[in-house]
Amino acid sequence: DQQVKQNSPSLSVQEGRISILNCDYTNSMFDYFLWYKKYPAEGPTFLISISSIKDKNEDGRFTVFLNKSAKHLSLHIVPSQPGDSAVYFCAAKVNAGNMLTFGGGTRLMVKP
Amino acid sequence: DTGVSQDPRHKITKRGQNVTFRCDPISEHNRLYWYRQTLGQGPEFLTYFQNEAQLEKSRLLSDRFSAERPKGSFSTLEIQRTEQGDSAMYLCASSLLNLRSEAFFGQGTRLTVV
Repeated sequence: DQQVKQNSPSLSVQEGRISILNCDYTNSMFDYFLWYKKYPAEGPTFLISISSIKDKNEDGRFTVFLNKSAKHLSLHIVPSQPGDSAVYFCAAKVNAGNMLTFGGGTRLMVKP
Repeated sequence: DTGVSQDPRHKITKRGQNVTFRCDPISEHNRLYWYRQTLGQGPEFLTYFQNEAQLEKSRLLSDRFSAERPKGSFSTLEIQRTEQGDSAMYLCASSLLNLRSEAFFGQGTRLTVV
């Protein structure tokens, strides 16, 4: 049973436009959420996180939104740049736990 | 380079052989994690150490898998009697003790069992 799902395996966006990556979760115990970016042949790199007590967290071009009632979070990248092309993973954890539960990833392609 | 480092980067082995991977975490990080990632999937948790103590193991970690972290520094992951289904990217990550601290990942060891 996949507790964290990223239903779009790929997304293509024009440079300068907004990229919106979505993530749904089923475990109501999750209370901390993270986004990681992964380039080929490299490990995942931390991007941004959000606690369940917030509904928005912003860091430069990256904003994560959390809708707890819908068990949904999204990552917005504005403006998108070709260097943002990578696979993006959504991950979640329970406060008292240590393991991250990852979604299957969304491949973002930003076209110049 | 002060990031998480993993060795080797690639390993090809014959079915039935034993393999061992090494992970060197960021030096001040108490927590160390092992994940496995197969093609088209996200990383899956395998096991976790806090200092030298192995505190959590996934059901994915069969009896053929063993992990150690002697002296709370580097860690090794050994797979005995490898099977083709073990072919995957094995990722190591480390973090500070704070539960809100993000995990930093190494580049991974890609295992191919032929």
